[in-house]
Amino acid sequence: DADVTQTPRNRITKTGKRIMLECSQTKGHDRMYWYRQDPGLGLRLIYYSFDVKDINKGEISDGYSVSRQAQAKFSLSLESAIPNQTALYFCATSDPNRRGDVEQFFGPGTRLTVL
Amino acid sequence: AQSVTQLGSHVSVSEGALVLLRCNYSSSVPPYLFWYVQYPNQGLQLLLKYTSAATLVKGINGFEAEFKKSETSFHLTKPSAHMSDAAEYFCAVGDYGGSQGNLIFGKGTKLSVKP
Repeated sequence: DADVTQTPRNRITKTGKRIMLECSQTKGHDRMYWYRQDPGLGLRLIYYSFDVKDINKGEISDGYSVSRQAQAKFSLSLESAIPNQTALYFCATSDPNRRGDVEQFFGPGTRLTVL
Repeated sequence: AQSVTQLGSHVSVSEGALVLLRCNYSSSVPPYLFWYVQYPNQGLQLLLKYTSAATLVKGINGFEAEFKKSETSFHLTKPSAHMSDAAEYFCAVGDYGGSQGNLIFGKGTKLSVKP
């Protein structure tokens, strides 16, 4: 079974709709991240969380919100989706204390299309 | 602040030829450096990482990278390309600024392998 899972894997929605992307992990890691990937732009950090009570904005947080429901769950919400939020979204986890480095482990991604 | 530059958004090689993907980084502290690979329609998979041990790092699938502090480089190489190496490759540096443990990603290099 995958250590980091994302649901849904694909989603098509309309402008103005609220949408939630979910991420779950069984790795026992404290740190979780949300990225978006756009062609030619690489991965850009949206939000990150170092533990259940800690939420931090990343490089491109405008238009997004997150919720860390438990150590294993980190959700990304688009309150009112717009077409330029069409992208591939990745969740990742890491545990520097346990591994001694900052390697991140990625989920399979969610492809979101906003019409 | 840390940053990563990948030279060449697209690289094309013939099967059996040398693969060289370039990555230069900027960091005010000793960095952690990573190469991730993304196969079509998949998430990111760790290829190899540098964590201040040996400067020549060997990864999966015959890839290796050499950390050169004087050149601030961490180029990825493989002696002989296979068709299965066609993918997008991302270089990343560990961010030890205000957000310890975060990764800064390059914009990616798409590798094509010609028969």
